Amino acid sequence: QVHLVESGGGVVQPGRSLRLSCAASGFMFSGYGMHWVRQAPGKGLEWVALIWYDGGNKYFADSVKGRFTISRDNSNNTLYLQMNSLRAEDSAVYYCARSNYGSGSYIDYWGQGTLVTVSS
Amino acid sequence: DIQMTQSPSTLSASVGDRVTITCRASQSISSWLAWYQQKPGKAPKLLIYKASSLQNGVPSRFSGSGSGTEFTLTISSLQPDDFATYYCQQYNSYWTFGQGTKVEIK
Repeated sequence: QVHLVESGGGVVQPGRSLRLSCAASGFMFSGYGMHWVRQAPGKGLEWVALIWYDGGNKYFADSVKGRFTISRDNSNNTLYLQMNSLRAEDSAVYYCARSNYGSGSYIDYWGQGTLVTVSS
Repeated sequence: DIQMTQSPSTLSASVGDRVTITCRASQSISSWLAWYQQKPGKAPKLLIYKASSLQNGVPSRFSGSGSGTEFTLTISSLQPDDFATYYCQQYNSYWTFGQGTKVEIK
């Protein structure tokens, strides 16, 4: 079955960088678009970024554009989120999630999330 | 940007009640809408896609309707396992979530 496992979260100082990873299994990773979605403590869901199945197109929320990049390694079934110039408001649980389609579509499977805390 | 507004923000109901949650889009999104359920400390779970299509394995007491700018999620007979927070999401243009509706025990 579809399995998504995020890693790389932790405590980081404002202005620093962090890279999240998501290991995928149980499906043909190279055939699906992949999202990152975040949820600040006690708050709702916020879409962050999407990458197409082949990495050919990438989309970002305005709140992270220019600071975050999304990439994937289809040979190793891994999704990444590089987060630079981190701010306190980036503190959240970050979920890796599968798009139902090779490009952008709704999310049909979610990982369990990894917590990022931006604090001095 | 497309904004999604859910109502109510909180809903108090009893087991067996019929529950309806509304989601409104700031512009037409055709039927490109999904609904998710989230329980505390857990990842969201897909319930409905394309406004009214039930995801495999989701109980038939959940249903979705609507198109354009107004959508509803209905739980026909609320079960103990259904107390959770529900989110709508549009995927017509980028991806935007509603602010969530918490369904709590009355």
